[in-house]
Amino acid sequence: DSGVTQTPKHLITATGQRVTLRCSPRSGDLSVYWYQQSLDQGLQFLIQYYNGEERAKGNILERFSAQQFPDLHSELNLSSLELGDSALYFCASSVAPEHTYEQYFGPGTRLTVT
Amino acid sequence: GNSVTQMEGPVTLSEEAFLTINCTYTATGYPSLFWYVQYPGEGLQLLLKATKADDKGSNKGFEATYRKETTSFHLEKGSVQVSDSAVYFCALSDFGNEKLTFGTGTRLTIIP
Repeated sequence: DSGVTQTPKHLITATGQRVTLRCSPRSGDLSVYWYQQSLDQGLQFLIQYYNGEERAKGNILERFSAQQFPDLHSELNLSSLELGDSALYFCASSVAPEHTYEQYFGPGTRLTVT
Repeated sequence: GNSVTQMEGPVTLSEEAFLTINCTYTATGYPSLFWYVQYPGEGLQLLLKATKADDKGSNKGFEATYRKETTSFHLEKGSVQVSDSAVYFCALSDFGNEKLTFGTGTRLTIIP
């Protein structure tokens, strides 16, 4: 158990819908990262937050957005869903945004868009 | 930009065999290097890391040495077990760019 929690574990929804994925980092970790894992794209970085502020953006679509709240939990919002958004979405956390620090991953949310 | 190239899988070995999974990287700075493992149906677990040249990361019998001259971080284990069957990802994180850049993953299957 990494100490990072993600809910829900599974999500099945229809095209065009909007969903929210939730992540709670390990106790004491200030930096949160979101990654998408799909068969065709592999593991791709989406976005990073540090202490409530956006710090870096990766291959995140405009239909997707995220935020980190004062209690440090983070939410990833996916809207106007398409079939191609079906994937595993992982949240990870680290103590601080230093490249020497390891990132601890949650169990993931499996999103299926039908 | 940064990139990680991993040995193509799948890899199938017999129990107690020696394992090597090759990983090379391209980075603009002085990255930290990681191996993560993903067991079936689970998230990614950190296996080991190295943060500077010639560092050796080790955990659960696995080892990898940060070789700057060959830009490599190959994963090795002397005697694999059935329980080591999983997908292994090599990754890097760079100064000022802390996101993890992953390789494509190598699926390892150990047969008894």
